[in-house]
Amino acid sequence: QLQLQESGPGQLKPSETLSLTCSVSGGSISNSNYNWDWIRQPPGKGLECIGTIYYLGTTLYTPSLHSRVAMSVDTSKNQFSLRLNSVTAADTAVYFCARRRRQVGYFDYWGQGALVTVSS
Amino acid sequence: DVQMTQSPSSLSASVGDRVTITCRASQTISIYLHWYQHIPGQAPRLLMSSTSSLQSGVPARFSGSGSGTDFTLTISSLQPEDLGTYYCQQSYSVPFTFGPGTKVDI
Repeated sequence: QLQLQESGPGQLKPSETLSLTCSVSGGSISNSNYNWDWIRQPPGKGLECIGTIYYLGTTLYTPSLHSRVAMSVDTSKNQFSLRLNSVTAADTAVYFCARRRRQVGYFDYWGQGALVTVSS
Repeated sequence: DVQMTQSPSSLSASVGDRVTITCRASQTISIYLHWYQHIPGQAPRLLMSSTSSLQSGVPARFSGSGSGTDFTLTISSLQPEDLGTYYCQQSYSVPFTFGPGTKVDI
C-alpha cells in the first residue's frame, strides 16, 4: 500500500520560506505513470493545486504561485519537496502531497496533510 | 482556469437515504471529472475517476455520471462512514481545479 507523509516546520514568520518534504513508501517515485503534486487548503477554503513534478525533474506550477514556488525530487530517497518563498498569512494552509496519474489527472494517493501557519 | 461549483454546499441525511451531489464546470471538461471524500485529519480518498470509474475498495453504493459540464455523485444508501466533505476535481485543463466541497452529515 502506497503511503505519503508530509514533514516540515509548522510555524513560519512572514517573508520566510516554507519547506516541506513528502516521503513516499510502498512504491517507487520513479514510476513513469505518475506525477507528484502539492495541494493546499487554507482554513475554511477549498483545495488549490500548487504544482507538480515528474521523477525526471520536470515541473509545472500554478500561475498564481509560479514566481514563489520551487519543487524538487530525490529519487534516491523516494522523496519530493516544496519550497515557497516570501510567505504571508495568506499561505497559511494544510499542505497535502499526492500522487497524480499521468494522462488522466486524478490524485489516487494523498498524505494526511501538514498544517503550516504563517504569523508574526 | 476552469471554475468548479458544487451543490448543495452541505446536507444532512439519514442512514439509508439516497444522496446526490452535483458538480458543474465553467466550460466543457469531457469526462475528466473525479470525486474525493475527505474526513478531517485523514488523507483525502479518491472515490471515482473519469466521471464513473469506481476505485478499488470503494463500495458499490457510490456511482457517478455526467459529461461536458454537469456531473453527479450518488450514494444510493447512505452509511455512517460516508460522512465527510466531498470534492469534485477537473483534470481537463491546467491548472487542475477542485469544487468548493459538499459537507455530508449523517
